[in-house]
Amino acid sequence: DARVTQTPRHKVTEMGQEVTMRCQPILGHNTVFWYRQTMMQGLELLAYFRNRAPLDDSGMPKDRFSAEMPDATLATLKIQPSEPRDSAVYFCASGLGLSGANVLTFGAGSRLTVL
Amino acid sequence: RKEVEQDPGPFNVPEGATVAFNCTYSNSASQSFFWYRQDCRKEPKLLMSVYSSGNEDGRFTAQLNRASQYISLLIRDSKLSDSATYLCVVPEGGSQGNLIFGKGTKLSVKP
Repeated sequence: DARVTQTPRHKVTEMGQEVTMRCQPILGHNTVFWYRQTMMQGLELLAYFRNRAPLDDSGMPKDRFSAEMPDATLATLKIQPSEPRDSAVYFCASGLGLSGANVLTFGAGSRLTVL
Repeated sequence: RKEVEQDPGPFNVPEGATVAFNCTYSNSASQSFFWYRQDCRKEPKLLMSVYSSGNEDGRFTAQLNRASQYISLLIRDSKLSDSATYLCVVPEGGSQGNLIFGKGTKLSVKP
């Protein structure tokens, strides 16, 4: 089965440190999404890309978060500096972005704890 | 941003019961809808797509009411393995392909 691969699966870090999460989308998928999930907020969209171009990053705190797709096989989400309120599970998902419907396949997530 | 609302539950039902969840959405332009299932500490996975008035897959039936802007998910003869959180998903609209996720409805099926 084709899958979305995320690393690291778990990360514990101290406040102020830089955190980089990586995602390998499914080969051939042209849309990539980053979501954050907490118990209180559910799944929140942080950013998404189509054909490697950022389409929407309005859900992302710009002062500390950045998302990039250096190539079609890699998407990154960086937090610098990290804060305790960033503790959450970060999911990457990819899809084949046709007009309208966009079925997503999620990675297993990166569970981040900021102390 | 367009909204998707779900009853958070939890719905606690015995095995074999029929249970239904509703989801309301605000974007009247949406043409396709999805139900995702998320197990505890796992990623969401696609359960069903709904492109017209409804869709049926075994024990699962999804129905769409465009006039009232709600989608329902019906689970018949529920199994212990159906215990999960069910996420209603609605495209934000247009051709950009962004999806708006509801916060989910938690289902717990008891023996």
